[in-house]
Amino acid sequence: GENVEQHPSTLSVQEGDSAVIKCTYSDSASNYFPWYKQELGKRPQLIIDIRSNVGEKKDQRIAVTLNKTAKHFSLHITETQPEDSAVYFCAASARGSQGNLIFGKGTKLSVKP
Amino acid sequence: EAQVTQNPRYLITVTGKKLTVTCSQNMNHEYMSWYRQDPGLGLRQIYYSMNVEVTDKGDVPEGYKVSRKEKRNFPLILESPSPNQTSLYFCASGNTGELFFGEGSRLTVL
Repeated sequence: GENVEQHPSTLSVQEGDSAVIKCTYSDSASNYFPWYKQELGKRPQLIIDIRSNVGEKKDQRIAVTLNKTAKHFSLHITETQPEDSAVYFCAASARGSQGNLIFGKGTKLSVKP
Repeated sequence: EAQVTQNPRYLITVTGKKLTVTCSQNMNHEYMSWYRQDPGLGLRQIYYSMNVEVTDKGDVPEGYKVSRKEKRNFPLILESPSPNQTSLYFCASGNTGELFFGEGSRLTVL
């Protein structure tokens, strides 16, 4: 089945610096790649997503890049702020359905003021 | 308000005592899924359903059952809970894009 690897598992940055989280996936049929943010004690919520016909997508301080050939996608957060501190999950669609997501193990991002 | 509702939110039970965690969504989503979240292991898929009466195993289905008799409901059944099923459980629903998660159900099996 689909496997999603996510690195690093923890990331600590200084406020204002950039943060990059990387994921790889195994299923070449995957065509939808969302990123979720989970704040402490809360549910995961979508922050940005990308589909396989696009190489890059930006939304203010966050951006996602996709390399389908390498089966690799990344989340970039610029000008990090303390409120960006959370666990971030990448995911890839699996089993032929965009709605059916397999998640990476998560990255705990800490932004130090 | 569009939402995914899980119940109970918190439960402490004992080994072998059957329990059901309910999940209901009001967004007319075709797809629903259950995940468990454990420290260091991320969100692991237990079961998913592409539509009414269509369910399939995820990555960690052992010890769980599900049913999808109506579009809005997708209960998770633990027939004989064991301590290794102590976890935080999330139900989610969606169509062809964003998944919406419930608030989570924290289950402890003693």
